[in-house]
Amino acid sequence: AQSVTQPDIHITVSEGASLELRCNYSYGATPYLFWYVQSPGQGLQLLLKYFSGDTLVQGIKGFEAEFKRSQSSFNLRKPSVHWSDAAEYFCAVDSPTDSWGKLQFGAGTQVVVTP
Amino acid sequence: GAVVSQHPSRVICKSGTSVKIECRSLDFQATTMFWYRQFPKQSLMLMATSNEGSKATYEQGVEKDKFLINHASLTLSTLTVTSAHPEDSSFYICSATVTGGERATNEKLFFGSGTQLSVL
Repeated sequence: AQSVTQPDIHITVSEGASLELRCNYSYGATPYLFWYVQSPGQGLQLLLKYFSGDTLVQGIKGFEAEFKRSQSSFNLRKPSVHWSDAAEYFCAVDSPTDSWGKLQFGAGTQVVVTP
Repeated sequence: GAVVSQHPSRVICKSGTSVKIECRSLDFQATTMFWYRQFPKQSLMLMATSNEGSKATYEQGVEKDKFLINHASLTLSTLTVTSAHPEDSSFYICSATVTGGERATNEKLFFGSGTQLSVL
């Protein structure tokens, strides 16, 4: 079955430290990959996406993600987190064999930033 | 400004009443819209796919008669929660896209800001 997994439900990181959020997928073909961020009670903000090409993708707010086909992963990273990065982060995939835009979301990772 | 407008952002209603949520694409024609549901501290789950001028396609386990979806125009889709009950309380969010063409170059996938529904 097709799936997207975010192994870490909750991550606590110190302000200024680096952050890496994991995302793994299981699809027959390489899906299109997204990372979204959601603040409490708010909608989704797109951080970055990968369709093809360069496997290291730069996004907004200093985030980047690397697509690794061999590991079926699309991990999100930030070198130095800010207190404002505290939020819920969702990895999402779009199957190339299904309706465009029909996303399957991972369970999410809650990021807490400590002083 | 937002390219997908979702209203209302928050609604409180009594049990047994119906609530309508609107999702509008503001600067493009959305042939397809999606409706998701998010329970507190959980992920987003797709409820249905809405194509303009045709009946919505519901995901398994979603009650068609409770969650009425209408996509009458290329810029508007509505989700009506009929006879709402407390267990329907949730965050509902829509997304809109344009189908057709090459996926790799189609970047038109936008989310609304969501609607928090609380049923008393």
